[in-house]
Amino acid sequence: AQSVTQPDIHITVSEGASLELRCNYSYGATPYLFWYVQSPGQGLQLLLKYFSGDTLVQGIKGFEAEFKRSQSSFNLRKPSVHWSDAAEYFCAVGAPNNAGNMLTFGGGTRLMVKP
Amino acid sequence: EPEVTQTPSHQVTQMGQEVILRCVPISNHLYFYWYRQILGQKVEFLVSFYNNEISEKSEIFDDQFSVERPDGSNFTLKIRSTKLEDSAMYFCASRLTTGELFFGEGSRLTVL
Repeated sequence: AQSVTQPDIHITVSEGASLELRCNYSYGATPYLFWYVQSPGQGLQLLLKYFSGDTLVQGIKGFEAEFKRSQSSFNLRKPSVHWSDAAEYFCAVGAPNNAGNMLTFGGGTRLMVKP
Repeated sequence: EPEVTQTPSHQVTQMGQEVILRCVPISNHLYFYWYRQILGQKVEFLVSFYNNEISEKSEIFDDQFSVERPDGSNFTLKIRSTKLEDSAMYFCASRLTTGELFFGEGSRLTVL
């Protein structure tokens, strides 16, 4: 069964500092990988996705993530965090051709940004 | 840009009452989903729906839950007799074929 682990429940960074959110997954084949962001009381917005090809993927709002097969990881990065990035971030792994449950989510990482 | 829309955004109900949450998926999408997120917890899969039938459901999706696509545009989640533990944010999602899921803004259900 697929699973996703986000080891950091909370992270606090200063505005302008760099950010890395960790994500490790367990999946039997090459998965689809996603990062979603959720602002308080809001829905899930897709930041970026990896399906195949270049292992470094660029997303919206200046985020990027790197797929490392050897480490089963898909860490999210941003070189300079803005106060508006404060939110909860969810990593998810998906089954590309599965008509059933497409996504398994990690537990989320809550990001706080200090001025 | 096309989007998944959900109504209501927030519903408060008494325990034991029936609730219907409505979703309008993106028009040409073929796969439909409901997920839920209990406050402070992870997003959990409830059910997937394809070709007018359930393709997969989780343990959470017991006999109190049902889904329907009554008219080719709406996709509804019904909870027959709500319990306190059904209080959560319910997300509808859809996708075309393979590829990413597009999520709605969610419907917050509060059961008193």
